[in-house]
Amino acid sequence: QKEVEQDPGPLSVPEGAIVSLNCTYSNSAFQYFMWYRQYSRKGPELLMYTYSSGNKEDGRFTAQVDKSSKYISLFIRDSQPSDSATYLCAMSANQAGTALIFGKGTTLSVSS
Amino acid sequence: GAVVSQHPSWVICKSGTSVKIECRSLDFQATTMFWYRQFPKQSLMLMATSNEGSKATYEQGVEKDKFLINHASLTLSTLTVTSAHPEDSSFYICSARDFEGNTGELFFGEGSRLTVL
Repeated sequence: QKEVEQDPGPLSVPEGAIVSLNCTYSNSAFQYFMWYRQYSRKGPELLMYTYSSGNKEDGRFTAQVDKSSKYISLFIRDSQPSDSATYLCAMSANQAGTALIFGKGTTLSVSS
Repeated sequence: GAVVSQHPSWVICKSGTSVKIECRSLDFQATTMFWYRQFPKQSLMLMATSNEGSKATYEQGVEKDKFLINHASLTLSTLTVTSAHPEDSSFYICSARDFEGNTGELFFGEGSRLTVL
């Protein structure tokens, strides 16, 4: 079993839809959870950063972490064509000098 | 926000040649940088952790003699792909953690696409 599992999609939705992206993980030591957005041929950019369990909201984006289930989610409300990208979940056990373990990424396409 | 710059953004080389990729933290100091490789439709796979002033730490299965990493200053790490072969063609991405910003956020470069003919 891989440390981080993420459905690669692709996921296609109409503009305005609510999008749910998910990852599961096996390492209970993970405490820091991130969602990155990656456009084609570009480096990843950080969308959401969460420590431990709970919810975090930033504009149209909501990140949820359920450590008991080892499950994290990213919700996108009122999706826009500009949201079309690959979304990568990432996590680490500690913050200091630790590389991230990434999911495979989910490719999202929002049609207008 | 903090910026990490990579150069070149893309490079094409002949099989057997060596290619150097630079990663710079533009407005913060990074004692640690990370090098990832990403194949098409795959996730980022950590290759090595680059430590300023000391040897890099390589992940299992990554040949240290093939992927030479040098982190000579607090703002620059380089990855040299030696004797490149077509199977080394990939998207190489570096990242650095900005502790000065207190969040310890990891910033990524734009990536360098290597094509070996």
